[in-house]
Amino acid sequence: GAVVSQHPSRVICKSGTSVKIECRSLDFQATTMFWYRQFPKKSLMLMATSNEGSKATYEQGVEKDKFLINHASLTLSTLTVTSAHPEDSSFYICSAGYREYEQFFGPGTRLTVL
Amino acid sequence: GQNIDQPTEMTATEGAIVQINCTYQTSGFNGLFWYQQHAGEAPTFLSYNVLDGLEEKGRFSSFLSRSKGYSYLLLKELQMKDSASYLCAGMDSNYQLIWGAGTKLIIKP
Repeated sequence: GAVVSQHPSRVICKSGTSVKIECRSLDFQATTMFWYRQFPKKSLMLMATSNEGSKATYEQGVEKDKFLINHASLTLSTLTVTSAHPEDSSFYICSAGYREYEQFFGPGTRLTVL
Repeated sequence: GQNIDQPTEMTATEGAIVQINCTYQTSGFNGLFWYQQHAGEAPTFLSYNVLDGLEEKGRFSSFLSRSKGYSYLLLKELQMKDSASYLCAGMDSNYQLIWGAGTKLIIKP
């Protein structure tokens, strides 16, 4: 089956620093990758849709200068949380589009900002 | 607007059967997904329905009625490891997933 990896799985950083999260499709090419954020006891919130070679499409209310997304190749998308603050602490999950209707999820990254 | 509704929490007994319901409203419809999510982990795919009817996969079955905007996930022969959150998600006309808040399923011995 299609495998998506995320790195790191867990990161703790100081307030004001930037954190980069990588999402890779290991055995298939994904022209579209999605970045989600999950708050405790809440549904997954789509942050942005990332298409290879073009700018990401951000959902309403998501700051594009805060959450930088780069989709440099068909197997790699990165999310950089810039100048992180404690309220950015969350579980970030990426998914890669496999077929028209199917997405495969990465294992998620737990970000804690002190 | 787009909306997915499912119960917040359900409790069932090991070995029994449980049905988790989901109603949806999406802009266009390209299918209904069920995912299982254990605490601290990403969701894992369980099922996909785009046509009306019941699809069975081992102990798990999923049902869809497009006219009613309704789906359910049926879990049989419950095991303790089935304790998890079950997420219902509808795919809209732009192929984006609209997520429910998840149903936390608690299995008791």
